[in-house]
Amino acid sequence: ILNVEQSPQSLHVQEGDSTNFTCSFPSSNFYALHWYRWETAKSPEALFVMTLNGDEKKKGRISATLNTKEGYSYLYIKGSQPEDSATYLCAFLGRNFGNEKLTFGTGTRLTIIP
Amino acid sequence: DGGITQSPKYLFRKEGQNVTLSCEQNLNHDAMYWYRQDPGQGLRLIYYSQIVNDFQKGDIAEGYSVSREKKESFPLTVTSAQKNPTAFYLCASSKDRVNNEQFFGPGTRLTVL
Repeated sequence: ILNVEQSPQSLHVQEGDSTNFTCSFPSSNFYALHWYRWETAKSPEALFVMTLNGDEKKKGRISATLNTKEGYSYLYIKGSQPEDSATYLCAFLGRNFGNEKLTFGTGTRLTIIP
Repeated sequence: DGGITQSPKYLFRKEGQNVTLSCEQNLNHDAMYWYRQDPGQGLRLIYYSQIVNDFQKGDIAEGYSVSREKKESFPLTVTSAQKNPTAFYLCASSKDRVNNEQFFGPGTRLTVL
């Protein structure tokens, strides 16, 4: 079973502050790294799918970077807003064609304090 | 509106009974997945199907069964053999098997009494 770890487990951030958290994954047989946002009482929604080492993706105030050689990805949120409160999940997809399945981390639960 | 629906939202079952959770999508996606979430754990894959009439076991398939007779539907049966069935169940689908970005349903919370 693959090991995908996220840290910290939870985080409280003052509104307006910026923050970041980490996803660690196996550096071998890498194919893709996904980030999802899961708000309370809603379904998880995809934020980014990253495939290339050094890739950086951005959606509004949220961005992510990827280092496949060392096996980590960072998610950054700039100028946190209350609507950013959610659990952020990362998921690793290994290079195992014919058997594609995501392995999820346990998530980082972010709470924005107004 | 395209999307994934799961029903029911809450489900209660007596110990020893089988129960089937529904998952339907109108996104024309080939692949569908069932996950289970328990407190303090990541989403764990139960079963997945990449095409109609075919499915594979995930990491925690014991005590569960699925069928994929139609592209739109991927029901999950929680059998009496599942030792600890109380959990939150999420269904997902993906269009692109290789890209694999997943779209999730709202989930079903199953409680065994």
